[in-house]
Amino acid sequence: GNSVTQMEGPVTLSEEAFLTINCTYTATGYPSLFWYVQYPGEGLQLLLKATKADDKGSNKGFEATYRKETTSFHLEKGSVQVSDSAVYFCALTGYGGATNKLIFGTGTLLAVQP
Amino acid sequence: NAGVTQTPKFQVLKTGQSMTLQCAQDMNHNSMYWYRQDPGMGLRLIYYSASEGTTDKGEVPNGYNVSRLNKREFSLRLESAAPSQTSVYFCASRELAGRSSHEQYFGPGTRLTVT
Repeated sequence: GNSVTQMEGPVTLSEEAFLTINCTYTATGYPSLFWYVQYPGEGLQLLLKATKADDKGSNKGFEATYRKETTSFHLEKGSVQVSDSAVYFCALTGYGGATNKLIFGTGTLLAVQP
Repeated sequence: NAGVTQTPKFQVLKTGQSMTLQCAQDMNHNSMYWYRQDPGMGLRLIYYSASEGTTDKGEVPNGYNVSRLNKREFSLRLESAAPSQTSVYFCASRELAGRSSHEQYFGPGTRLTVT
């Protein structure tokens, strides 16, 4: 079945450091890929998405490219801020069967220190 | 628009008690979902409703029931709470099944502790 694997955290960085959070997936067909962010005490918010191979999703300085050849969707940001401290979830949804379902990775906690 | 709202925000139950978690959305979305979030396990789908009048089991449905009361509301019921159901519960909604946009909008969550 479909699954998502993302790097375990916590990831601790200093402000202005470069961020990469790895995400790989297993899926049949052509899934859509997402990064969600959860700030402390809140629900999840969509950060960015990509719906087909080679698409690049971007938002708030974060980027991720849908790589079908490596089944990856790594999240990157060139210069993190303290306000980026949150839990980041990689997720996918596919076609066929129950197309509504989002499948999440386990989440990666990012802590940015001033 | 309030988006997705959930009540209550916090709840403590004793083993064997029952309760219903409420969820409502004001975005005229067709699909609604209930997830639970546990440390190290991400979010797992409990039940979902692709459209008004339909519900289906997700990954971890045991011990739960749901009701899609109308297009706006989707409730989750624990008939006999167990400590293993201690978790944070999130409700989410999505515009339309099968469309190209799969974004789900999440509520703020209900933190449930079963003692």
